[in-house]
Amino acid sequence: LAKTTQPISMDSYEGQEVNITCSHNNIATNDYITWYQQFPSQGPRFIIQGYKTKVTNEVASLFIPADRKSSTLSLPRVSLSDTAVYYCLVGPRNRDDKIIFGKGTRLHILP
Amino acid sequence: KAGVTQTPRYLIKTRGQQVTLSCSPISGHRSVSWYQQTPGQGLQFLFEYFSETQRNKGNFPGRFSGRQFSNSRSEMNVSTLELGDSALYLCASSSVGGRDYEQFFGPGTRLTVL
Repeated sequence: LAKTTQPISMDSYEGQEVNITCSHNNIATNDYITWYQQFPSQGPRFIIQGYKTKVTNEVASLFIPADRKSSTLSLPRVSLSDTAVYYCLVGPRNRDDKIIFGKGTRLHILP
Repeated sequence: KAGVTQTPRYLIKTRGQQVTLSCSPISGHRSVSWYQQTPGQGLQFLFEYFSETQRNKGNFPGRFSGRQFSNSRSEMNVSTLELGDSALYLCASSSVGGRDYEQFFGPGTRLTVL
């Protein structure tokens, strides 16, 4: 499984765009990049998944450069309710192994 | 479609007791994974079941066990509880194929060991 590195914590303000970058230098050819969001005392929630270039859904965008050694989760115009822990995971879509969550990035949105 | 449900939501036990937690996956999902989450260790994988068979296992002692029934419902059991077992226990289910990275988590069971 590819190892991922994310900032431990980030602060931002309401209305701002937040970008959280994840490094995954040893990503394999068949690996996908998946992001989860977790609110306190709740289970994580799948946000977005991508393989290359850009993926966008109603919640976020995921930017993946050509070398795929990093990825950036972009949250547009955040609100206080976006305060959560965000996890970056890397692995094959058709996985054979368990899913490992790292420490994630604790995002704190300020008023 | 109903989400993943876990029962009970809260539980208080004393050291040495045993506990059984239950998880009902989303209808049609055949993969169920269990995680333990504590402030110090984060989200740690316990085990995964697929079609009643344990497919993957994390690094937890044998006091932690699980099983899956033919209807995909799963239970996990912790015997001889220790104070350090106090945690939020999360269950997650995956699609029919069970190999996707998109997992659907339940609300968790908050276990307190006194």
